[in-house]
Amino acid sequence: KQEVTQIPAALSVPEGENLVLNCSFTDSAIYNLQWFRQDPGKGLTSLLLIQSSQREQTSGRLNASLDKSSGRSTLYIAASQPGDSATYLCAVPDPGTYKYIFGTGTRLKVLA
Amino acid sequence: ETGVTQTPRHLVMGMTNKKSLKCEQHLGHNAMYWYKQSAKKPLELMFVYSLEERVENNSVPSRFSPECPNSSHLFLHLHTLQPEDSALYLCASSQERLTDSGNTIYFGEGSWLTVV
Repeated sequence: KQEVTQIPAALSVPEGENLVLNCSFTDSAIYNLQWFRQDPGKGLTSLLLIQSSQREQTSGRLNASLDKSSGRSTLYIAASQPGDSATYLCAVPDPGTYKYIFGTGTRLKVLA
Repeated sequence: ETGVTQTPRHLVMGMTNKKSLKCEQHLGHNAMYWYKQSAKKPLELMFVYSLEERVENNSVPSRFSPECPNSSHLFLHLHTLQPEDSALYLCASSQERLTDSGNTIYFGEGSWLTVV
């Protein structure tokens, strides 16, 4: 059974820092991995989708990497800003189903 | 602006009430989902519809009843709920199976439900 874990659960950093969020999954037979952002009381917004054949994806100040063999993905945020404060979730599809398995998220606070 | 719209955004209901949550997607997708998000828990998949047919029912109590009249609309009918059902209910849509590479899932803003 696929399980997704995210560490740390919460993170507070001063503005301008580069930071790394971690995601690990137990079943490496994944087709893709997706990172989402969730603002308080809101829905999820897709940030980056990495296909199983890819090693990383970049969008602006965000870079996500994928290492299937070790069951890990990292989300790198460069030059963090207060507007980056949110909960970041990673998710992988459960093979052969419509299910996306989510981690519990990392709650990020960037201090001005 | 999200392509998935949920109404109402907030709902307070008594345990004997009957209410419905509505979701509409404007993305031309053929799969729609209901997720439940409770405090400090991972998102829980409740139901999945593909081409208006229910393909997943994740052991959800019968007091939650989904309805998918067409590929653009999804409802969640609520009756005799319990206080522990209070949560954020998220609707989402995608093009075909998520396990197909390249398909992503789009979420609505959610409906905050409080059962008193």
